[in-house]
This record gives sequence, C-alpha cells and structure tokens, in this order.
Amino acid sequence: GAGVSQSPRYKVAKRGQDVALRCDPISGHVSLFWYQQALGQGPEFLTYFQNEAQLDKSGLPSDRFFAERPEGSVSTLKIQRTQQEDSAVYLCASSLEFRTGGYEQYFGPGTRLTVT
Amino acid sequence: SQQGEEDPQALSIQEGENATMNCSYKTSINNLQWYRQNSGRGLVHLILIRSNEREKHSGRLRVTLDTSKKSSSLLITASRAADTASYFCARTKPYNNNDMRFGAGTRLTVKP
Repeated sequence: GAGVSQSPRYKVAKRGQDVALRCDPISGHVSLFWYQQALGQGPEFLTYFQNEAQLDKSGLPSDRFFAERPEGSVSTLKIQRTQQEDSAVYLCASSLEFRTGGYEQYFGPGTRLTVT
Repeated sequence: SQQGEEDPQALSIQEGENATMNCSYKTSINNLQWYRQNSGRGLVHLILIRSNEREKHSGRLRVTLDTSKKSSSLLITASRAADTASYFCARTKPYNNNDMRFGAGTRLTVKP
C-alpha cells in the first residue's frame, strides 16, 4: 500500500505566521511520530501518538508547537508565530507495533519549512 | 540534542570498497537501528539489532553491537554508487520503545 505522505512538501512562512503540517500515516499503523531535522543533523524527536493519544510530547521545543491526531489516523503539527529557528525539515513516521520488542518506523518525505 | 554519535562524519570511498561507520551512545538501550537517508528516498530503515544480540546481517549490510562499550558499527560490503547517502544510528531506551533518538549521521560518498 501507500507509504507515509506529508503535505505540503515545501512551506515558506513569514516570521510570525502560523503553519500547519499534515501527515497521513500508513493505514492501520498505531504509532505516529513527528521529528524535526535541521540541516546536516539527524532527526530530533518531537512527539509521539498511540492512536489518538499523545503519549509523549517532551521533544516539542516550545508551547508554540502543537500536534494532534483526533481520529487516530491523520496528524497535524501546528507551529504558531513561527520564528526563523523553526526552519527545518519536519518528518512524520508511523509504525505498526507499540509494545516492547522494537520495530521499524516508516518515514514520510518531510515538509521543508523556511521561515523568512 | 543528539543522543548517538556517528563517526566518521563523512566518508568517501571507491565503488567496490567496504565502508564502516561507527555509532556510540551514552545510555542503556533496548535496541539500536540504522537508517539511510538520501534525497531520492527519504529516511529508510536498514536494520535493527536488539540489546541481547551481537551481530546481524542483511544482504551487504553487517551490524555489530557492543553494549559494554556502548557502540555499534555498520559495515557495507562491495559498495555501490547508489549507497551514497547519510547513515544514522538510532537507539531506543529500555521500557520506552517509542523514544527513538538519532545521531548526527555519517555522510557516505561512493565514487563510481
């Protein structure tokens, strides 16, 4: 089936604008993750959902960042009053398992956000 | 902050040569995974090794794990130009498989 999709692929926002980034996970995947990746760095964990429950939001850098997954499938990452330091690629990933044992995450292509 | 550190930061080799990348981490792990990222295919899972395993193979990939040294290595044998990408290790902590932390990555260039 289709992989993880994200939209938009590119977003340019003026400082102070609000943005919303969408993630469509693989159908049936219980777990959904958001990461932020700065240029030349590895992905940094932002938040995690198990179905519609946001179980971990410890990686969100400030209260301007908000994520939701109201029906346990599509998720939206919202950034309010964007700042230049928010410029990065935002990656979404989903996985089937959520219990112990380890599993792989399937990543979307990312949304490249540029704040001017 | 990055929770795993890969070295070298960059590696350039000729096609057909082997490439070895290393990853170190600081805390106990449940498992460690290697991912590849290139502009064409995004971030793709390569292999997972659990904390009670020492070595795993997948095609031309060989991963080792030394929990006493808190380190892992990824070996790519008989490299191809298509292996050019950034390689990241990511570890999950015990009791929290959902908290996966990536290193800064090794940028591998395979010259044809």
